[in-house]
Amino acid sequence: LAKTTQPISMDSYEGQEVNITCSHNNIATNDYITWYQQFPSQGPRFIIQGYKTKVTNEVASLFIPADRKSSTLSLPRVSLSDTAVYYCLVGEDSGAGSYQLTFGKGTKLSVIP
Amino acid sequence: DTAVSQTPKYLVTQMGNDKSIKCEQNLGHDTMYWYKQDSKKFLKIMFSYNNKELIINETVPNRFSPKSPDKAHLNLHINSLELGDSAVYFCASSQVAGTGQSTFGSGTRLTVV
Repeated sequence: LAKTTQPISMDSYEGQEVNITCSHNNIATNDYITWYQQFPSQGPRFIIQGYKTKVTNEVASLFIPADRKSSTLSLPRVSLSDTAVYYCLVGEDSGAGSYQLTFGKGTKLSVIP
Repeated sequence: DTAVSQTPKYLVTQMGNDKSIKCEQNLGHDTMYWYKQDSKKFLKIMFSYNNKELIINETVPNRFSPKSPDKAHLNLHINSLELGDSAVYFCASSQVAGTGQSTFGSGTRLTVV
Protein backbone atom coordinates (compact mmCIF):
# COMPACT_ATOMS: atom_id res chain seq x y z
CA LEU A 1 0.00 0.00 0.00
CA ALA A 2 1.31 3.41 -0.93
CA LYS A 3 2.28 5.54 2.02
CA THR A 4 1.28 9.18 2.18
CA THR A 5 2.96 12.13 3.84
CA GLN A 6 1.18 15.37 4.62
CA PRO A 7 1.74 18.27 7.05
CA ILE A 8 0.59 17.59 10.57
CA SER A 9 -1.18 20.93 10.92
CA MET A 10 -2.01 24.15 9.12
CA ASP A 11 -3.58 27.43 10.15
CA SER A 12 -5.55 29.74 7.90
CA TYR A 13 -7.69 32.85 8.22
CA GLU A 14 -11.28 32.83 7.17
CA GLY A 15 -11.83 33.64 3.52
CA GLN A 16 -8.44 32.46 2.37
CA GLU A 17 -7.73 29.64 -0.01
CA VAL A 18 -6.05 26.67 1.63
CA ASN A 19 -3.81 24.23 -0.19
CA ILE A 20 -2.82 20.98 1.50
CA THR A 21 -0.16 18.98 -0.28
CA CYS A 22 0.32 15.26 0.08
CA SER A 23 3.18 13.15 -1.20
CA HIS A 24 2.75 9.54 -2.27
CA ASN A 25 5.98 8.58 -3.98
CA ASN A 26 5.22 4.90 -4.44
CA ILE A 27 1.68 5.22 -5.72
CA ALA A 28 0.67 2.27 -7.90
CA THR A 29 -0.74 2.50 -11.40
CA ASN A 30 -4.22 1.48 -10.30
CA ASP A 31 -4.37 3.66 -7.21
CA TYR A 32 -6.75 6.58 -6.94
CA ILE A 33 -6.03 9.57 -4.70
CA THR A 34 -8.79 10.32 -2.26
CA TRP A 35 -9.29 13.00 0.36
CA TYR A 36 -11.48 12.73 3.42
CA GLN A 37 -12.50 15.27 6.06
CA GLN A 38 -13.11 14.37 9.69
CA PHE A 39 -14.72 16.54 12.34
CA PRO A 40 -14.35 15.65 16.03
CA SER A 41 -16.62 12.80 17.12
CA GLN A 42 -17.65 12.05 13.55
CA GLY A 43 -16.65 9.57 10.91
CA PRO A 44 -14.53 10.61 7.93
CA ARG A 45 -16.44 12.19 5.08
CA PHE A 46 -15.46 11.80 1.43
CA ILE A 47 -14.44 15.10 -0.16
CA ILE A 48 -12.91 14.43 -3.54
CA GLN A 49 -11.11 11.82 -5.58
CA GLY A 50 -8.92 11.86 -8.64
CA TYR A 51 -6.56 9.81 -10.74
CA LYS A 52 -4.65 12.47 -12.66
CA THR A 53 -4.75 16.15 -13.67
CA LYS A 54 -7.43 18.23 -11.99
CA VAL A 55 -10.75 17.41 -10.43
CA THR A 56 -13.21 19.98 -9.10
CA ASN A 57 -16.48 19.62 -7.25
CA GLU A 58 -18.67 21.92 -5.20
CA VAL A 59 -16.43 21.55 -2.16
CA ALA A 60 -12.83 21.45 -3.34
CA SER A 61 -10.34 21.00 -6.15
CA LEU A 62 -7.70 18.33 -6.44
CA PHE A 63 -4.54 18.91 -8.43
CA ILE A 64 -2.45 15.92 -9.47
CA PRO A 65 0.77 16.33 -11.47
CA ALA A 66 1.66 14.01 -14.31
CA ASP A 67 3.95 11.81 -12.22
CA ARG A 68 1.18 11.39 -9.59
CA LYS A 69 3.75 11.36 -6.79
CA SER A 70 1.95 14.15 -5.01
CA SER A 71 -1.41 15.84 -4.93
CA THR A 72 -2.83 19.11 -3.60
CA LEU A 73 -6.23 19.59 -2.06
CA SER A 74 -7.46 23.16 -2.55
CA LEU A 75 -10.24 24.57 -0.38
CA PRO A 76 -11.51 27.91 -1.67
CA ARG A 77 -12.40 30.64 0.82
CA VAL A 78 -12.39 28.56 4.00
CA SER A 79 -14.75 29.28 6.86
CA LEU A 80 -14.62 28.34 10.53
CA SER A 81 -16.68 25.25 9.76
CA ASP A 82 -13.83 23.91 7.64
CA THR A 83 -11.76 23.34 10.78
CA ALA A 84 -11.16 19.59 10.70
CA VAL A 85 -8.62 16.89 10.00
CA TYR A 86 -8.02 16.21 6.32
CA TYR A 87 -6.73 12.84 5.22
CA CYS A 88 -4.97 12.12 1.97
CA LEU A 89 -4.97 8.51 1.01
CA VAL A 90 -4.37 6.15 -1.83
CA GLY A 91 -6.33 2.97 -2.00
CA GLU A 92 -5.87 -0.52 -3.19
CA ASP A 93 -8.41 -2.59 -5.01
CA SER A 94 -8.63 -5.68 -2.82
CA GLY A 95 -10.81 -7.49 -5.31
CA ALA A 96 -14.48 -8.50 -5.29
CA GLY A 97 -15.58 -4.89 -5.05
CA SER A 98 -13.57 -4.15 -1.94
CA TYR A 99 -11.36 -1.08 -1.89
CA GLN A 100 -8.94 -0.85 0.98
CA LEU A 101 -8.24 2.64 2.30
CA THR A 102 -5.11 3.33 4.28
CA PHE A 103 -5.38 6.45 6.37
CA GLY A 104 -2.29 8.39 7.41
CA LYS A 105 -1.98 10.89 10.21
CA GLY A 106 -3.91 13.60 8.44
CA THR A 107 -3.55 17.37 8.46
CA LYS A 108 -5.31 19.28 11.20
CA LEU A 109 -6.59 22.50 9.63
CA SER A 110 -7.47 25.31 12.00
CA VAL A 111 -9.38 28.23 10.53
CA ILE A 112 -8.93 31.45 12.45
CA PRO A 113 -11.53 34.24 12.50
CA ASP B 1 -32.30 9.03 6.72
CA THR B 2 -28.91 8.13 8.18
CA ALA B 3 -26.87 6.35 5.50
CA VAL B 4 -24.61 4.29 7.77
CA SER B 5 -25.78 3.89 11.34
CA GLN B 6 -23.97 2.28 14.24
CA THR B 7 -25.21 1.33 17.67
CA PRO B 8 -24.38 1.99 20.37
CA LYS B 9 -22.63 5.34 20.11
CA TYR B 10 -20.87 4.84 23.42
CA LEU B 11 -19.97 1.59 25.14
CA VAL B 12 -18.26 1.29 28.50
CA THR B 13 -17.52 -2.21 29.73
CA GLN B 14 -15.20 -4.16 31.96
CA MET B 15 -12.23 -6.24 30.91
CA GLY B 16 -13.13 -9.78 30.00
CA ASN B 17 -16.66 -9.00 28.85
CA ASP B 18 -18.08 -9.79 25.42
CA LYS B 19 -19.77 -7.01 23.47
CA SER B 20 -21.22 -6.35 20.03
CA ILE B 21 -21.48 -3.27 17.85
CA LYS B 22 -24.14 -3.17 15.16
CA CYS B 23 -23.96 -1.47 11.78
CA GLU B 24 -26.56 -0.96 9.11
CA GLN B 25 -26.41 0.88 5.78
CA ASN B 26 -29.34 1.90 3.61
CA LEU B 27 -27.32 2.93 0.58
CA GLY B 28 -27.64 -0.33 -1.29
CA HIS B 29 -23.87 -0.81 -1.17
CA ASP B 30 -22.46 -4.29 -1.50
CA THR B 31 -19.28 -3.73 0.50
CA MET B 32 -18.99 -2.91 4.19
CA TYR B 33 -16.00 -2.29 6.42
CA TRP B 34 -14.92 -1.95 10.02
CA TYR B 35 -12.19 0.53 10.93
CA LYS B 36 -10.53 1.20 14.28
CA GLN B 37 -9.32 4.66 15.32
CA ASP B 38 -6.99 4.62 18.30
CA SER B 39 -6.18 7.38 20.77
CA LYS B 40 -3.56 8.81 18.43
CA LYS B 41 -6.26 9.20 15.78
CA PHE B 42 -4.77 6.59 13.44
CA LEU B 43 -7.58 5.03 11.44
CA LYS B 44 -6.94 1.46 10.35
CA ILE B 45 -9.06 -1.02 8.46
CA MET B 46 -10.00 -4.21 10.28
CA PHE B 47 -12.41 -6.10 8.04
CA SER B 48 -14.08 -5.81 4.67
CA TYR B 49 -17.14 -7.72 3.54
CA ASN B 50 -18.57 -7.91 0.05
CA ASN B 51 -22.03 -9.41 -0.33
CA LYS B 52 -21.69 -11.10 3.06
CA GLU B 53 -18.32 -12.58 2.13
CA LEU B 54 -15.14 -11.70 4.01
CA ILE B 55 -12.63 -10.00 1.69
CA ILE B 56 -10.13 -8.37 4.01
CA ASN B 57 -9.12 -9.56 7.44
CA GLU B 58 -6.22 -7.49 8.65
CA THR B 59 -4.02 -8.55 11.52
CA VAL B 60 -6.73 -8.40 14.12
CA PRO B 61 -6.95 -10.67 17.17
CA ASN B 62 -9.39 -13.50 16.64
CA ARG B 63 -11.34 -12.13 19.59
CA PHE B 64 -12.86 -9.85 16.97
CA SER B 65 -15.42 -11.55 14.79
CA PRO B 66 -17.49 -9.77 12.16
CA LYS B 67 -20.91 -11.09 11.28
CA SER B 68 -22.85 -10.15 8.16
CA PRO B 69 -26.43 -11.49 8.17
CA ASP B 70 -27.16 -9.65 4.92
CA LYS B 71 -25.38 -7.13 2.76
CA ALA B 72 -26.97 -4.19 4.60
CA HIS B 73 -25.63 -5.24 7.99
CA LEU B 74 -22.15 -5.86 9.36
CA ASN B 75 -21.89 -6.40 13.09
CA LEU B 76 -18.71 -6.62 15.12
CA HIS B 77 -18.50 -8.96 18.07
CA ILE B 78 -15.61 -8.72 20.49
CA ASN B 79 -14.82 -11.43 23.01
CA SER B 80 -12.78 -11.13 26.20
CA LEU B 81 -12.33 -7.39 25.94
CA GLU B 82 -8.94 -5.93 26.86
CA LEU B 83 -7.87 -2.43 27.84
CA GLY B 84 -6.12 -2.02 24.49
CA ASP B 85 -9.40 -2.49 22.66
CA SER B 86 -10.48 0.95 23.82
CA ALA B 87 -10.90 3.01 20.65
CA VAL B 88 -13.49 4.43 18.29
CA TYR B 89 -14.81 1.87 15.83
CA PHE B 90 -16.20 3.05 12.52
CA CYS B 91 -18.37 1.14 10.13
CA ALA B 92 -18.32 2.14 6.45
CA SER B 93 -19.74 1.02 3.14
CA SER B 94 -18.97 1.50 -0.53
CA GLN B 95 -20.36 0.53 -3.89
CA VAL B 96 -19.38 -2.63 -5.66
CA ALA B 97 -16.14 -2.12 -7.57
CA GLY B 98 -15.88 1.29 -5.95
CA THR B 99 -12.77 3.41 -6.04
CA GLY B 100 -12.51 4.47 -2.44
CA GLN B 101 -15.62 6.58 -2.00
CA SER B 102 -16.76 5.11 1.26
CA THR B 103 -19.49 6.41 3.52
CA PHE B 104 -18.66 6.18 7.21
CA GLY B 105 -20.88 5.90 10.24
CA SER B 106 -20.49 8.25 13.19
CA GLY B 107 -18.51 5.75 15.22
CA THR B 108 -18.80 3.79 18.43
CA ARG B 109 -16.55 4.87 21.27
CA LEU B 110 -15.59 1.75 23.21
CA THR B 111 -14.01 2.17 26.63
CA VAL B 112 -12.74 -0.88 28.45
CA VAL B 113 -12.16 -0.39 32.16
